[in-house]
Order: sequence, then C-alpha cells, then structure tokens
Amino acid sequence: EPEVTQTPSHQVTQMGQEVILRCVPISNHLYFYWYRQILGQKVEFLVSFYNNEISEKSEIFDDQFSVERPDGSNFTLKIRSTKLEDSAMYFCASKDRGGDTQYFGPGTRLTVL
Amino acid sequence: AQKVTQAQTEISVVEKEDVTLDCVYETRDTTYYLFWYKQPPSGELVFLIRRNSFDEQNEISGRYSWNFQKSTSSFNFTITASQVVDSAVYFCALSEDGGATNKLIFGTGTLLAVQP
Repeated sequence: EPEVTQTPSHQVTQMGQEVILRCVPISNHLYFYWYRQILGQKVEFLVSFYNNEISEKSEIFDDQFSVERPDGSNFTLKIRSTKLEDSAMYFCASKDRGGDTQYFGPGTRLTVL
Repeated sequence: AQKVTQAQTEISVVEKEDVTLDCVYETRDTTYYLFWYKQPPSGELVFLIRRNSFDEQNEISGRYSWNFQKSTSSFNFTITASQVVDSAVYFCALSEDGGATNKLIFGTGTLLAVQP
C-alpha cells in the first residue's frame, strides 16, 4: 500500500540553524500539507501546496518557513533560522485530486537546542 | 469559524470495557468532512474514518463504531470490548469543503489508556 514517507525521523539542531525536512508524498497525489504538533498538544495546520504554489498558510507559517517541491517526488519544509519554540513533530500529508482524506507520514521530530 | 472540541482529555478503562470518545464541531459550511485519527505511542497519525456532512449513517467497522449527529454537531467514536492495543491519543478533525485547501482542523485529542 502506498504511503507518505518522511526523513529524517529525528533532527537535532542548534538555535539559529537552518533545517530542511523532507517528505515523499503518495505518488499520484496532488495536494500536499505540513502540520506541526508541539509535544503533548494538538496537531496544527502550517501550509498547503497545490500546483506548485502555496494555496493556504496559517499564521504560524511566517517568513522563517518555506516549502518547495524541487522535483516530481519530494516536498520539503525549510526553517531558515530555528528557534527553541520550533521544537515539535512535523507531519507531512498528501491527498489526491478527487479525495477528501489526507494521509500522513510518520513525522519528523525536530529538537532545537 | 471552525472548531473541534474534544472535552475528554484522558480516559482510562479496563480491557474489554466499551468506551466512547466525544467530538463536537463548529462550522458555518454546509459541506464538510469529519475524521478520526489514531496516534499510538510511536507517534504516527493513522486515519480511521471519514464522514461527509450529507451522510449521517452510523458506521461500524469491527470493534469500532461512529455516531454522527448533525443536530448536536457531534461525531462520537465508540470502541467495543477495548484492548490494550487501543491505547493511543485519538484526534477528531474537521475539514470544510468551501476552503481553498481542505486543511484539517484538529481537536486537542483524547488519551485513551486501556489497562490489562
């Protein structure tokens, strides 16, 4: 069964460093998403991406964040200068054109020291 | 504004008990989708069920059942004869069809602990 994959599973970085989180969505899906879950809290929407552009972003998704689909398979989330409060689990999800269900990857746990 | 409320923060039951997880939602859209996801201790989000706003039929899948009631804006989830493997955080989520992207709005989750 096709699935969303994410790498790395755990990333540790120093405050102020740039990080790139990678996702490979399900191959025939067209809508891509990033969500964030701070430890012990709910899952929050960050950004959605369709047709090679951002279609919606939340107030969390400020200028420090960017997304890219550099090729036909990868979907990345970049945080330019990490802060302590960026420590969280980051989930990638994808959805096909006619579907309503988003399928999630296993997540990347980001720890900012 | 859209909102999902899961008032039960934590529930503890003994194996084989039935348990119901509550979910109440708010939306102005007439077309929307409701979801339940399971997050086991390993951390991934596992899709369990989707319901659209026009389908109020209850659904049963093995030990799981879902009760959707538009009149009370609720989408409750019942596990019958709970098992230790059901221990997880369960999230209810809402997505509106009128939104640009069908982003998911999650509730705060209910931690279910099933004791042997």
